[in-house]
Amino acid sequence: EVQLVESGGGLVQPGGSLRLSCAASGFTFSNYNMNWVRQAPGKGLEWVSYISTGSSTINYADSVKGRFTISRDNARNSLFLQMNSLRAEDTAVYYCACGLSGYYRFDYWGRGTLVTVSS
Amino acid sequence: DIQMTQSPSSLSASVGDRVTITCRASQDITSWLAWYQQKPGKAPNLLIYAASSLQSGVPSRFSGSGSGTDFTLTISSLQPEDFATYYCQQTHSFPLTFGGGTKVGIK
Repeated sequence: EVQLVESGGGLVQPGGSLRLSCAASGFTFSNYNMNWVRQAPGKGLEWVSYISTGSSTINYADSVKGRFTISRDNARNSLFLQMNSLRAEDTAVYYCACGLSGYYRFDYWGRGTLVTVSS
Repeated sequence: DIQMTQSPSSLSASVGDRVTITCRASQDITSWLAWYQQKPGKAPNLLIYAASSLQSGVPSRFSGSGSGTDFTLTISSLQPEDFATYYCQQTHSFPLTFGGGTKVGIK
């Protein structure tokens, strides 16, 4: 069974940093592109970042470019998102989601982790 | 960036009804479109990819159609477990973008 489990969310002050993790199991992690997608309270879905299977291609939404860094460790079946200079508008549930290599859809999703940016 | 526009933003329907949701892309995305279902407090779930391909395990009452800029998600006979919010997503190019969502409620 495919499982994606996010961790690392919490309450952080504006300007602060947080590192999210996503532990994957039940599938061949190195064969899947990985993404972070977020959802602000009561709002729709927003794609945040993408990393290819071998980390050679990385993309970010303009709203987080220069502040967030995505990375992965295929040996540990793990995905990460380093979030710096956090703003109130970054408050959201952050989902990790994977898609088969070569495609940009999200086949599987984690349950999400809540990030709240507030003083 | 490719803008995705869904309509309607919400609808009310009864069990057994045929429901249609539309999604329009701001430029030609051929068939690079996916549909997701999201229930309250849960992660989204992939229903349709490549505009019309049914994801494994998804009931056959769900179907997708369209190409270019105009797409449709159809639920042939609405079931109680289908009351949820539905999102389209273009899988054509970065930045990946979603429609604003369509909430399907009980009439």
